[in-house]
Amino acid sequence: DSGVTQTPKHLITATGQRVTLRCSPRSGDLSVYWYQQSLDQGLQFLIQYYNGEERAKGNILERFSAQQFPDLHSELNLSSLELGDSALYFCASSSSGGAHEQYFGPGTRLTVT
Amino acid sequence: KNEVEQSPQNLTAQEGEFITINCSYSVGISALHWLQQHPGGGIVSLFMLSSGKKKHGRLIATINIQEKHSSLHITASHPRDSAVYICAVREASGSRLTFGEGTQLTVNP
Repeated sequence: DSGVTQTPKHLITATGQRVTLRCSPRSGDLSVYWYQQSLDQGLQFLIQYYNGEERAKGNILERFSAQQFPDLHSELNLSSLELGDSALYFCASSSSGGAHEQYFGPGTRLTVT
Repeated sequence: KNEVEQSPQNLTAQEGEFITINCSYSVGISALHWLQQHPGGGIVSLFMLSSGKKKHGRLIATINIQEKHSSLHITASHPRDSAVYICAVREASGSRLTFGEGTQLTVNP
């Protein structure tokens, strides 16, 4: 158990809908990272937050947004969902914004039908 | 060409064999991570290294910064080692990780 929690574990929704994925980092960790793992693209970095502020942005679509709250939990919002958004979404946390080990949550499996 | 290349893509071994998975990268990095992903999907961080060698139980990870290459070794492999092993690099200019495509390891009893 990494200490990182993600909810929900599974999510099935229809095209065009909007969903919110939630992540709680390990106690004391200030950084949260979001990753997408799809069958055809592998693991890709989406976005990083550090202590409430956006720190780095990767291959995140404009339909997706994220935020980190004062209690350090983070939410990833996915809207106007398409079939291609079906993937595993992982959140990871680390103690700082730089070169520290990242601890991964169990992931949320999103299926868009 | 991907920034992070792993080989082999698939590897089948007999229990007890010594296993090596390779990772080559093309960018300057501040750290390299080895991750393990089990069939259920969960990802576990095995190593983070920026130089030299690290050992944890039967797992050994090495990195050669000059050659931009890292290896993950598993000694006395066991069926429970069956998983996907993923190499990821943190670029020198930031904190984002770039991932290899992974190596599917199957260890048969």
